[in-house]
Amino acid sequence: EAGVAQSPRYKIIEKRQSVAFWCNPISGHATLYWYQQILGQGPKLLIQFQNNGVVDDSQLPKDRFSAERLKGVDSTLKIQPAKLEDSAVYLCASSLGSSGGQGETQYFGPGTRLLVL
Amino acid sequence: GENVEQHPSTLSVQEGDSAVIKCTYSDSASNYFPWYKQELGKRPQLIIDIRSNVGEKKDQRIAVTLNKTAKHFSLHITETQPEDSAVYFCAATPTGTASKLTFGTGTRLQVTL
Repeated sequence: EAGVAQSPRYKIIEKRQSVAFWCNPISGHATLYWYQQILGQGPKLLIQFQNNGVVDDSQLPKDRFSAERLKGVDSTLKIQPAKLEDSAVYLCASSLGSSGGQGETQYFGPGTRLLVL
Repeated sequence: GENVEQHPSTLSVQEGDSAVIKCTYSDSASNYFPWYKQELGKRPQLIIDIRSNVGEKKDQRIAVTLNKTAKHFSLHITETQPEDSAVYFCAATPTGTASKLTFGTGTRLQVTL
């Protein structure tokens, strides 16, 4: 079974520039998550999709971050404009999404390492 | 919201010794507690999980215990090996929030020869 795919793997940009990350979840997984992992910390959920609808975006800085999952499969996360403190690894994860609210296994992609200069 | 605390932040053990990592959570409604292992520069990978209707779960050298009354859960690794060296994260999910995970801050485990 193919895992969660992400691209690019690395990105260096200057502050105030924009950047976009792409994620392809495991085939058949209805739930998709974007996490931000700052160096030395645990992943923090930014946004969660169930198919193409947003389930939770309470921790997404909406003034600069946006995400979409238009066809309920692939997803993109965008930052515009980027700030120095956005330097982090952005992890995408997916899960089956059939648990009806109970915890289910999340499978992570390799992440995109972003450095904002 | 849920808050997960994890201790210790770093742990060094000799090969063959046991390692224990502890986590506490704040939301008594949490019902799912996974543990992830993250090697340097790699993705987090699930190593074991436990649900609130179970007190203990084992998988070869790895075990997890859950104390719902005290709201804490622990990861136990026996007969540690150098390949166990990594950062370990605990996480918790409260009921009613789909699969939203709140992660601990991580424990860097170093297994020395």
